[in-house]
Amino acid sequence: DVKVTQSSRYLVKRTGEKVFLECVQDMDHENMFWYRQDPGLGLRLIYFSYDVKMKEKGDIPEGYSVSREKKERFSLILESASTNQTSMYLCASRGRQAGGQETQYFGPGTRLLVL
Amino acid sequence: QKEVEQNSGPLSVPEGAIASLNCTYSDRGSQSFFWYRQYSGKSPELIMFIYSNGDKEDGRFTAQLNKASQYVSLLIRDSQPSDSATYLCAVRLDSNYQLIWGAGTKLIIKP
Repeated sequence: DVKVTQSSRYLVKRTGEKVFLECVQDMDHENMFWYRQDPGLGLRLIYFSYDVKMKEKGDIPEGYSVSREKKERFSLILESASTNQTSMYLCASRGRQAGGQETQYFGPGTRLLVL
Repeated sequence: QKEVEQNSGPLSVPEGAIASLNCTYSDRGSQSFFWYRQYSGKSPELIMFIYSNGDKEDGRFTAQLNKASQYVSLLIRDSQPSDSATYLCAVRLDSNYQLIWGAGTKLIIKP
């Protein structure tokens, strides 16, 4: 089974803190993604990485950065947390199911509260 | 602006009936279409994928694609309470591997 893990399920941080969210996948996938999910807005892409040390901005990259030093690990960094970054953060990696069907496999999510 | 639109619901369907979920997309270059299911407090998981016009069936689920009208739908036959979830529609352009996501439709199956 494909497994995508995220470092924390719940996180509470203060405004201005630097926040690190880590994601690890165990299937040697090249493509990895960071989304945030807010009620009524669906999944919005923050950043994605198509290979080690390769990254591209998604739709809402402002206030975030990413790091991909190893293939299995994709980190999201909030440089200076703000209250409008309170959200559910989902990491995903892109691969194929047993039948060859392409999909994105999601981690369990990190619910971040910025006070 | 590439967009994927879904009715947010909730859509309430009696147990045993057919649930019909709809999704429209704006970019005619869209090539692949996905339906993900997300239970409350859980992550999305893929349930159906379609890329050709017409119907694709998998058990109780049928995906329908009409590229001329730019919509894709998901039918769930013999709806069960366990089908109660939010259903996310996602679209991929052929040119890259990013998905464009709808906001999801909340489905409630009433026993």
